[in-house]
Amino acid sequence: AQTVTQSQPEMSVQEAETVTLSCTYDTSESDYYLFWYKQPPSRQMILVIRQEAYKQQNATENRFSVNFQKAAKSFSLKISDSQLGDAAMYFCAYRSARSGNTPLVFGKGTRLSVIA
Amino acid sequence: EADIYQTPRYLVIGTGKKITLECSQTMGHDKMYWYQQDPGMELHLIHYSYGVNSTEKGDLSSESTVSRIRTEHFPLTLESARPSHTSQYLCASSTGWLPGEQFFGPGTRLTVL
Repeated sequence: AQTVTQSQPEMSVQEAETVTLSCTYDTSESDYYLFWYKQPPSRQMILVIRQEAYKQQNATENRFSVNFQKAAKSFSLKISDSQLGDAAMYFCAYRSARSGNTPLVFGKGTRLSVIA
Repeated sequence: EADIYQTPRYLVIGTGKKITLECSQTMGHDKMYWYQQDPGMELHLIHYSYGVNSTEKGDLSSESTVSRIRTEHFPLTLESARPSHTSQYLCASSTGWLPGEQFFGPGTRLTVL
């Protein structure tokens, strides 16, 4: 079974600085999808960024980018120019490409604090 | 924001009561999910559905039950609530097409006294 590990339970960053959240995963599959989700204190989870395993190019969404290292099974999230609104729980998730029926596998999350 | 709704947002009830947490989505998604989120914020999948009349148990054993009579509706029922059921419950949905990211509802905060 696939597993997702987020080794940093908590992180903090100064406003306007850059922070990187770590995520590693374990799978024997070659085709899959990886996601970062954000859950602000208001609790609704939203998708931040997505990466297809067959793409070598790292995904980018405005201030959010990933460092996808397939061989190392690593999928870190970089937040540039951090803002107070970035404070949230961040979850890394994995999805097999073999079947659209498989639920996402989530990591335990990293709580990010942004210091003004 | 995604078109997925949960009611009630907050619920405080006494032990032994039967409750139903509602979840609806207007996106026509086949797949729907229920998660229990513990105080440490970890997500635990408790139920999911591939489509109408299909339900599956998730990774975490739960005393709750679910039904899927309509595509848009996926209610979760506790027949007899206990303090151990106190938690945040998140509903999500996704299409059957890859990559199949999940869209989440705002959650229901349940407190059982």
